[in-house]
Amino acid sequence: KQEVTQIPAALSVPEGENLVLNCSFTDSAIYNLQWFRQDPGKGLTSLLLIQSSQREQTSGRLNASLDKSSGRSTLYIAASQPGDSATYLCAVRPGGYSTLTFGKGTMLLVSP
Amino acid sequence: DTGVSQDPRHKITKRGQNVTFRCDPISEHNRLYWYRQTLGQGPEFLTYFQNEAQLEKSRLLSDRFSAERPKGSFSTLEIQRTEQGDSAMYLCASSFGLSSSYNEQFFGPGTRLTVL
Repeated sequence: KQEVTQIPAALSVPEGENLVLNCSFTDSAIYNLQWFRQDPGKGLTSLLLIQSSQREQTSGRLNASLDKSSGRSTLYIAASQPGDSATYLCAVRPGGYSTLTFGKGTMLLVSP
Repeated sequence: DTGVSQDPRHKITKRGQNVTFRCDPISEHNRLYWYRQTLGQGPEFLTYFQNEAQLEKSRLLSDRFSAERPKGSFSTLEIQRTEQGDSAMYLCASSFGLSSSYNEQFFGPGTRLTVL
């Protein structure tokens, strides 16, 4: 059974810092990995999707990397802003399935 | 707005009552998913449709839960005889996918269910 772990569970940083969120998964047989953002009480916003054949994806200040063989992904946020405060969720699509398996998320607080 | 929409956004009900939620996916998406999220947890998969066919159901989906997607467009999720443990955020997502394709999932705003 695929399990996804996100470390740290919570992170508090001052504005302007670069930061890294970590995601690990137990079964490397995945189709893709998706990073989401969730604001309190809201739905999920897709940030980046990395196919299993890719090593990284970039969107603006966000960069996500994937090391499938070691079962790890990182989300790098450059020059953090208070508006980045949210919970960040990592999800993998296991091979042979169409659904996503999620981690519990990292709650990020960026203070001015 | 062409995103995924869900209705209602909030539902408060008494234990034992039936509730029904609706999800309207992005119009060209053939796949539709239901997930449930409790406080402090990531979403957990409930069920998935490709067009009108329900292809996967989680063990979390007890006999009290039923989902339909009658014309391959919108979907409904019904919970019968609600229990306090059903209190959660119910999330709907859609994607356009073939068997081994890109399949990026886009989520709606969710329906927050509170069972008293």
